Amino acid sequence: KAGVTQTPRYLIKTRGQQVTLSCSPISGHRSVSWYQQTPGQGLQFLFEYFSETQRNKGNFPGRFSGRQFSNSRSEMNVSTLELGDSALYLCASSLGGEYNEQFFGPGTRLTVL
Amino acid sequence: AQSVTQLDSHVSVSEGTPVLLRCNYSSSYSPSLFWYVQHPNKGLQLLLKYTSAATLVKGINGFEAEFKKSETSFHLTKPSAHMSDAAEYFCVVSDKGGATNKLIFGTGTLLAVQP
Repeated sequence: KAGVTQTPRYLIKTRGQQVTLSCSPISGHRSVSWYQQTPGQGLQFLFEYFSETQRNKGNFPGRFSGRQFSNSRSEMNVSTLELGDSALYLCASSLGGEYNEQFFGPGTRLTVL
Repeated sequence: AQSVTQLDSHVSVSEGTPVLLRCNYSSSYSPSLFWYVQHPNKGLQLLLKYTSAATLVKGINGFEAEFKKSETSFHLTKPSAHMSDAAEYFCVVSDKGGATNKLIFGTGTLLAVQP
């Protein structure tokens, strides 16, 4: 069974631009969560989608948005990029139940110049 | 609100000696607790999870953790460290309160294994 895949793996953008990251969950998984990892703030929850609906959202500005498609693939968008958005963005998929293990992808490394 | 505190940011051990990574939690509910490991330039991998069954949880690669409610702790141990154990380890609590898969991560413990 293929794992969680994220594309692209690396991305360089400049301030003010926008970016879209993609996550393909494990087949059969309906929940996709996104996390931001930075040296200063650690791992922080962005949002979770389940069956195309946002089920929970972290404390991030509205510049961060996401969506989930009917095949459970998810995209995350960041508009008006700031230097502080440079981070590793991790996606995790699960069956969606409270005790179901979340499987993480390798992440997308975003650098904002 | 749920939270976890990892008591050591760096731990260094010699190969073949025991590993102890400490974690305390705070939770309004009976918590679901996890340990994840992250090797350099890799994603996160689940080592083990506690979900209110047995208090001593065995995970992959010889790791185990014990849930102690009286001490609000969930320390990760391994009897004998291997060079391949060098990585960053995260103690994690699941944020309950409705249908959600939100995980709350500790700040991480970087484990170094000396030959």
